[in-house]
Amino acid sequence: DGGITQSPKYLFRKEGQNVTLSCEQNLNHDAMYWYRQDPGQGLRLIYYSQIVNDFQKGDIAEGYSVSREKKESFPLTVTSAQKNPTAFYLCASSIASGANVLTFGAGSRLTVL
Amino acid sequence: GDSVTQMEGPVTLSEEAFLTINCTYTATGYPSLFWYVQYPGEGLQLLLKATKADDKGSNKGFEATYRKETTSFHLEKGSVQVSDSAVYFCALSGALYGQNFVFGPGTRLSVLP
Repeated sequence: DGGITQSPKYLFRKEGQNVTLSCEQNLNHDAMYWYRQDPGQGLRLIYYSQIVNDFQKGDIAEGYSVSREKKESFPLTVTSAQKNPTAFYLCASSIASGANVLTFGAGSRLTVL
Repeated sequence: GDSVTQMEGPVTLSEEAFLTINCTYTATGYPSLFWYVQYPGEGLQLLLKATKADDKGSNKGFEATYRKETTSFHLEKGSVQVSDSAVYFCALSGALYGQNFVFGPGTRLSVLP
């Protein structure tokens, strides 16, 4: 079945460490996104990418970095510069045109110790 | 900018009760409107959508009608089940690509047997 795979499901990090969250999709979608979810809040956009080797900052990009070397993959690195990284991170994708529906992965929960 | 407002939760209902979750939006132009559902520990799943005024989206017994005159997209279900317990997000998208998705804060629904 086609879908989005995020890993790891749970991740613990010490302060000052960078961590990378994986996002892989086999839907042949052109666009991919990273969202952050905090309790009681809606989703906030971190980064998005419409095509390979191109990406743009979202609303809360500070302290995060991404790459898009392959159409299927859009990893997110949470750097030590992110002041409050404990959150639930969601990766999503969409086709390049038409229905503009987002398909989400199951999420990764990052906890900073 | 664009925004989505949802009724605050949590909402607690008994099984077979009628459900309404209010959603209103502010947007320029003519956005598409969505309801997404998030089950515990999972990513978001598309529940239903509507792309133009007076459209009714429906799925799994849930319905919502795009009301341009009241800028609303209220979610309804005639008879809820325990399995409907989840967080429901209203969202809009005003562009071809998902980077212009705006999500509401979510409404947690608990259905008691």
